[in-house]
Amino acid sequence: DAEITQSPRHKITETGRQVTLACHQTWNHNNMFWYRQDLGHGLRLIHYSYGVQDTNKGEVSDGYSVSRSNTEDLPLTLESAASSQTSVYFCASSRDLGNEQFFGPGTRLTVL
Amino acid sequence: QKEVEQDPGPLSVPEGAIVSLNCTYSNSAFQYFMWYRQYSRKGPELLMYTYSSGNKEDGRFTAQVDKSSKYISLFIRDSQPSDSATYLCAMTATSGSRLTFGEGTQLTVNP
Repeated sequence: DAEITQSPRHKITETGRQVTLACHQTWNHNNMFWYRQDLGHGLRLIHYSYGVQDTNKGEVSDGYSVSRSNTEDLPLTLESAASSQTSVYFCASSRDLGNEQFFGPGTRLTVL
Repeated sequence: QKEVEQDPGPLSVPEGAIVSLNCTYSNSAFQYFMWYRQYSRKGPELLMYTYSSGNKEDGRFTAQVDKSSKYISLFIRDSQPSDSATYLCAMTATSGSRLTFGEGTQLTVNP
């Protein structure tokens, strides 16, 4: 069955370290999204991509980067982790003209 | 001011109650409206999808959109403990583009 996976599921890191969160989907969706979810803010869009080599900034992109080298993967990199980036991160994908986004199980990141 | 406002709750109701969840929005260009359900420590899943104004019913769930008031609602009839989750509204102006989510309402249905 097609699915979307995220790894790791839990990560503890230190301030200043570079961290990469993986997202892999097997639906062959062109659209992929990264969100963070925090109490009081809900889901906020970090970066998104509409296809290979395409990336766009969302509303909270500072300190994060993504690259899209193939259809299946959209890794999210925290260049220099900060305590404010402690959060739960969700990856999602959707069809080209589809509004239903399929979400991964999430990665819980703690920055100490 | 947030583009989409949603009361975060928490909301606690007895089993069998009718639940009403609501969102207001400010962007008049939004025309695709969704409700996602998120169980604890899981990713959100699409529950209801509505285009433009009107009602849509699916079993115990009814989604309503009033574009003139910029207001959407989700009604749950005969609520069950298994409905306990966080419900997020989401909307977009253009099919296939980024979604704007509400904060989510945490619902608990007590047996």
